[in-house]
Amino acid sequence: EVQLVESGGGLVQPGRSLKLSCVASGFTFSNYGMNWIRQAPGKGLEWVAYISSGSSYIYYAETVKGRFTISRDNAKNTLYLQMTSLRSEDTALYYCARRSGEVDYWGQGVMVTVSS
Amino acid sequence: DVVMTQTPVSLSLAIGQPASISCKSSQSLLGTSGKTFLNWILQRPGQSPKRLIYQVSKLYSEVPDRFSGSGSETEFTLKISRVEAEDLGVYYCWQGTHFPFTFGSGTKLEIK
Repeated sequence: EVQLVESGGGLVQPGRSLKLSCVASGFTFSNYGMNWIRQAPGKGLEWVAYISSGSSYIYYAETVKGRFTISRDNAKNTLYLQMTSLRSEDTALYYCARRSGEVDYWGQGVMVTVSS
Repeated sequence: DVVMTQTPVSLSLAIGQPASISCKSSQSLLGTSGKTFLNWILQRPGQSPKRLIYQVSKLYSEVPDRFSGSGSETEFTLKISRVEAEDLGVYYCWQGTHFPFTFGSGTKLEIK
């Protein structure tokens, strides 16, 4: 069974940093591109970043480019999102999601709240 | 960026009625691979999104065949032949052809 389990969220002050993790199981993690997708409270979905299976290709939404870094450790079956210079508008539930253009599995999400 | 325009914003239907949701993209979603990465997902209240349809019309194995997807290039439709109680939630179309991937604003399906 495919599982994606996010962690690392919490309450953080504006301008500070936070690192999210997503541990994958039930499939060969190194074979799949991965995404971070977020959802602000009561709002729709926003794609944040993508990383290819071997980390050769990385893309970001303009809203996070230069502040967020997506990475992965295939030996640990783990996807990461390093978030710096956090803003109130980054407050959201962050989902880890498998595959590139057609996400087939989503994690349960991890909440990030940016507030003073 | 590709803008995804979804209509209607909401639907209120009785069980057994058909449903139709439209999704239009600001540019063609036909990729250089020859595939069209137009997806539909359902987010039930309090849950993470769940997959429904990929590449315009392909249902994931667990999705009931009362769901169907159609369209091409820039115009797409999700149809439910007969709504059931478990279908309530917010439906999103989204495109995975062009980076950045983008989502429609969602259609909330309520059961009368």
